[in-house]
Amino acid sequence: DAKTTQPPSMDCAEGRAANLPCNHSTISGNEYVYWYRQIHSQGPQYIIHGLKNNETNEMASLIITEDRKSSTLILPHATLRDTAVYYCIVRVSNTGNQFYFGTGTSLTVIP
Amino acid sequence: NAGVTQTPKFQVLKTGQSMTLQCAQDMNHEYMSWYRQDPGMGLRLIHYSVGAGITDQGEVPNGYNVSRSTTEDFPLRLLSAAPSQTSVYFCASRQLLNTGELFFGEGSRLTVL
Repeated sequence: DAKTTQPPSMDCAEGRAANLPCNHSTISGNEYVYWYRQIHSQGPQYIIHGLKNNETNEMASLIITEDRKSSTLILPHATLRDTAVYYCIVRVSNTGNQFYFGTGTSLTVIP
Repeated sequence: NAGVTQTPKFQVLKTGQSMTLQCAQDMNHEYMSWYRQDPGMGLRLIHYSVGAGITDQGEVPNGYNVSRSTTEDFPLRLLSAAPSQTSVYFCASRQLLNTGELFFGEGSRLTVL
């Protein structure tokens, strides 16, 4: 599975969009991009995933560049409850059996 | 629907003692795994299983044993605990097909003195 690079920390004003970048320059053609978050010391929570196209769900949007070497998770209207560590992971869906989480980005939403 | 259940939530051991962290899921997931999380290290995969009778090593398997006798359960065994195994342990499961979203338990905090 390809490795990912994320900034260690970011701040975002409450109500503003939070844009969390992820670099995955060695991603293969069949590897998906997944995003999870971990609030305080709870177990990580799935947010969204995608292969090539941009994706949106009730939690967030995922923008993947055309060359697939990077992606951005967008929380459209950040709230204090979005303060968490966000992990970007790439893996082969269904057949890839190992999720490697790395150290993620610690997002702090500021009132 | 309980999801992924881990027990115990907290445990203190002395060096050299053995113990088992329990993990059970009620979602009929084929895949189960164990992670440990240490400050500044993120989550690291210890062992995983893709079905009953099948287990494999992750990034940091040394000092840990696993077995998978049923679909529902995936216990993690520490045969001789060491202070370096002080950590928070998370169990996770998923379906092998579909999106492969991982569902996590609430974690087990282990301290080895």
